[in-house]
Amino acid sequence: GENVEQHPSTLSVQEGDSAVIKCTYSDSASNYFPWYKQELGKRPQLIIDIRSNVGEKKDQRIAVTLNKTAKHFSLHITETQPEDSAVYFCAASRGGSNYKLTFGKGTLLTVNP
Amino acid sequence: ETGVTQTPRHLVMGMTNKKSLKCEQHLGHNAMYWYKQSAKKPLELMFVYSLEERVENNSVPSRFSPECPNSSHLFLHLHTLQPEDSALYLCASSLGEGRYEQYFGPGTRLTVT
Repeated sequence: GENVEQHPSTLSVQEGDSAVIKCTYSDSASNYFPWYKQELGKRPQLIIDIRSNVGEKKDQRIAVTLNKTAKHFSLHITETQPEDSAVYFCAASRGGSNYKLTFGKGTLLTVNP
Repeated sequence: ETGVTQTPRHLVMGMTNKKSLKCEQHLGHNAMYWYKQSAKKPLELMFVYSLEERVENNSVPSRFSPECPNSSHLFLHLHTLQPEDSALYLCASSLGEGRYEQYFGPGTRLTVT
């Protein structure tokens, strides 16, 4: 089955800096890669996703890049703000009739004012 | 509250009790999911229902029993649980039909004593 590795497990940055979180996956048939943000005591929320037919997607300060050959994808947050502090999870799925999302272990991002 | 709701939000039960968790989605989605979230572990998929039919069962112990009476409601029946079952139980839903984005409920914090 699919295996998703996520690094780093914790990341601390200064406000205004950029943050990058990386994930690798094992199943070459995976073609859908979402990122979720979970603030303390709250539900995971989808913040951005990418499908295998594109290499990069951007939404304001957040971007995701995908390298299918190397089987890795990354989340990039620019101009970080204290409210970006949360746990971020990556996931991978084959999509189609396969509903299963395999999640990474999460990255605790702390943005220091 | 709109979107995906879960009740109760907190539950403390003894190992001999029987209880049920409830999830309701108001998004018109066709697929619903149960996840277990434990500290320092990835989100673990437990069950998936698509159009009220179970399509995924991830080797979950029989002390967890799901029920999906219709596409808007999902239950997780619990009996004779173990202390290691203490965790946050998250419900999610997705549209299906080629749309893979999953939307999570707030979760039920379960403590087994």
